[in-house]
Amino acid sequence: NAGVMQNPRHLVRRRGQEARLRCSPMKGHSHVYWYRQLPEEGLKFMVYLQKENIIDESGMPKERFSAEFPKEGPSILRIQQVVRGDSAAYFCASSRGTGEETQYFGPGTRLLVL
Amino acid sequence: QKEVEQDPGPLSVPEGAIVSLNCTYSNSAFQYFMWYRQYSRKGPELLMYTYSSGNKEDGRFTAQVDKSSKYISLFIRDSQPSDSATYLCAPFSGGYNKLIFGAGTRLAVHP
Repeated sequence: NAGVMQNPRHLVRRRGQEARLRCSPMKGHSHVYWYRQLPEEGLKFMVYLQKENIIDESGMPKERFSAEFPKEGPSILRIQQVVRGDSAAYFCASSRGTGEETQYFGPGTRLLVL
Repeated sequence: QKEVEQDPGPLSVPEGAIVSLNCTYSNSAFQYFMWYRQYSRKGPELLMYTYSSGNKEDGRFTAQVDKSSKYISLFIRDSQPSDSATYLCAPFSGGYNKLIFGAGTRLAVHP
C-alpha cells in the first residue's frame, strides 16, 4: 500500500527560475494539503485542495505561488521566480475525504534556491 | 499569542528514561490532538491521536489531553535511541481542516 509520493525529493533552482513540486496522494485519498517547513521552524499550512478545486489557500503567499489538483494526475505546487527565502522543505499530506480526516504525509521535497 | 506553543527542546535523555513532551493551545474549537514524529530529513509520521479530553495509550506511548487547561502531553516510557526524533503536536478541529503544528520538540535518547 503505497504512501504519499512526492517528487522530486531534492530540487535546486537559481533565483528567478520556476519550481514545480508534485504530490500523488495515497490510494483512495482525494484530499491534498501542502505544508512548508522553513529551516528551524515548524510546519506551516499552505493550501488544501480536492480534485479540481482549491478549498483553502489561506496559507499561500499572495504572489508567485499556485497549486492545482487536476482530475487526472498529481497535485502540483508551482513557485514562479523563486527567491532564496523560498528554500525550504515542502510536504504534501493526503486524507480520504470521507469525514475521517487523518492526514498522512509524504517524504517532502527539499527546495534549495541558489 | 501563537495558536500552538510547544517546548522546542532539545531534550536529551538516557535510554530507558520516561520522556514528557508538552504543548499548549489557545483555540477551544480543537477536538482532536495529533502527535507526529519526524525523523531527520523525513516526512512527519502520525504517531497517535486523541479525541477530546482524556488519555490514550499505545505501547510505550501515552497521549494525554486536558481541555480545561488547553494542555497536551505525550509520554514515552522506556525510551529507546530509535525514539530520537522531533515530536510535533497538532491540535485539529476535525473534518476538512488544516493542521496547526507546534514548533516541535527535538528529542535525543542516548544509549
